[in-house]
Amino acid sequence: GAGVSQSPSNKVTEKGKDVELRCDPISGHTALYWYRQSLGQGLEFLIYFQGNSAPDKSGLPSDRFSAERTGGSVSTLTIQRTQQEDSAVYLCASSFRTSGTSYNEQFFGPGTRLTVL
Amino acid sequence: GQSLEQPSEVTAVEGAIVQINCTYQTSGFYGLSWYQQHDGGAPTFLSYNGLDGLEETGRFSSFLSRSDSYGYLLLQELQMKDSASYFCAVPPLYNTNAGKSTFGDGTTLTVKP
Repeated sequence: GAGVSQSPSNKVTEKGKDVELRCDPISGHTALYWYRQSLGQGLEFLIYFQGNSAPDKSGLPSDRFSAERTGGSVSTLTIQRTQQEDSAVYLCASSFRTSGTSYNEQFFGPGTRLTVL
Repeated sequence: GQSLEQPSEVTAVEGAIVQINCTYQTSGFYGLSWYQQHDGGAPTFLSYNGLDGLEETGRFSSFLSRSDSYGYLLLQELQMKDSASYFCAVPPLYNTNAGKSTFGDGTTLTVKP
């Protein structure tokens, strides 16, 4: 596709329910990132994929959060037993990830706004 | 750990010049990037400094001083559409499996007529 897409754009759920957020990265981008952004805050790193593997899961806040990526493309972030503090905008980004020290610009999707009631 | 500090808000008038500063404390550092985010929108890349000095891209310039752990984004000839949040960020370490970019909390720029 032309850019990174995410679905749904908005999700309202009840506390305790599970949610799945989807990210469709730019074709050919090997790296995929998930971030969380609370109102008026910066981006909080959650997880990084290179291909289908996740070498860096250090940002996942608890074991209720998990993510997978299939076919080196689409990724799903799952939040189980949602809590009110999970309410935020979840952003996905993709990039090339090359060796060396060249910078690989991250292209962000529009985000999913999650509201847990 | 890593942390970046930038002012929370900046206000300027159309046509003016504004500088948004960013100081950082990081373990392992390759460079400093800047992203723009309009209200309700996705962050978009503006610039990257891998070396000390000034990088210029049109009306926007970015500066890095490694010795001072400091950088800034300079916006010239401000336009109303420049009203947005601006984030400095330290990218993940290369040649590693690290994925974490550390972002500042953002500076909200308001451009007034």
